Amino acid sequence: GEDVEQSLFLSVREGDSSVINCTYTDSSSTYLYWYKQEPGAGLQLLTYIFSNMDMKQDQRLTVLLNKKDKHLSLRIADTQTGDSAIYFCAEKEAGNQFYFGTGTSLTVIP
Amino acid sequence: DTGVSQDPRHKITKRGQNVTFRCDPISEHNRLYWYRQTLGQGPEFLTYFQNEAQLEKSRLLSDRFSAERPKGSFSTLEIQRTEQGDSAMYLCASSSRASRPDEQYFGPGTRLTVT
Repeated sequence: GEDVEQSLFLSVREGDSSVINCTYTDSSSTYLYWYKQEPGAGLQLLTYIFSNMDMKQDQRLTVLLNKKDKHLSLRIADTQTGDSAIYFCAEKEAGNQFYFGTGTSLTVIP
Repeated sequence: DTGVSQDPRHKITKRGQNVTFRCDPISEHNRLYWYRQTLGQGPEFLTYFQNEAQLEKSRLLSDRFSAERPKGSFSTLEIQRTEQGDSAMYLCASSSRASRPDEQYFGPGTRLTVT
């Protein structure tokens, strides 16, 4: 559960969709999460998905989970400049340890 | 309630000194977590408390690190004999046992610089 990987950077134009990807290794993960970190601010939970779900939609956010490939993605529709931040995926194992990815820095170009 | 608070926000110390950080969780939250975050990395789990009991510690946690939560409310993280590699942001988070899916609320962090 300690190898959670993300691509480091993503750049999109305002109004386009952003897709941030994450791979994880622990098949016993119960929940998977997406957090947002803006400069100088703490991490904020954006959304989560339970491990027995394939998809979850929450307003502009869509989370897709492929358990077979241990792949998680976050799609942000109609990306805005305020969405520029670092996005972390995280997994929670059966205990209480959380493992975070390295973070993807999203830049939205006006 | 204003959320999770941490004190101090910044700490500069010389190598070999001891430092102590404090975290005040959201008042009704019985779960408390400490993480370390270095530049360009995600938070790394250090330890977890449920009420006053320290239930989990990362096996990566050096013996120089100790954490307490004596009354099940605020928590302290102490680093003894600091090393330059300890320079990082130390994050605290809290959650409620009743919360599904264990939604953690993070504090602003304490940035430690060891010179």
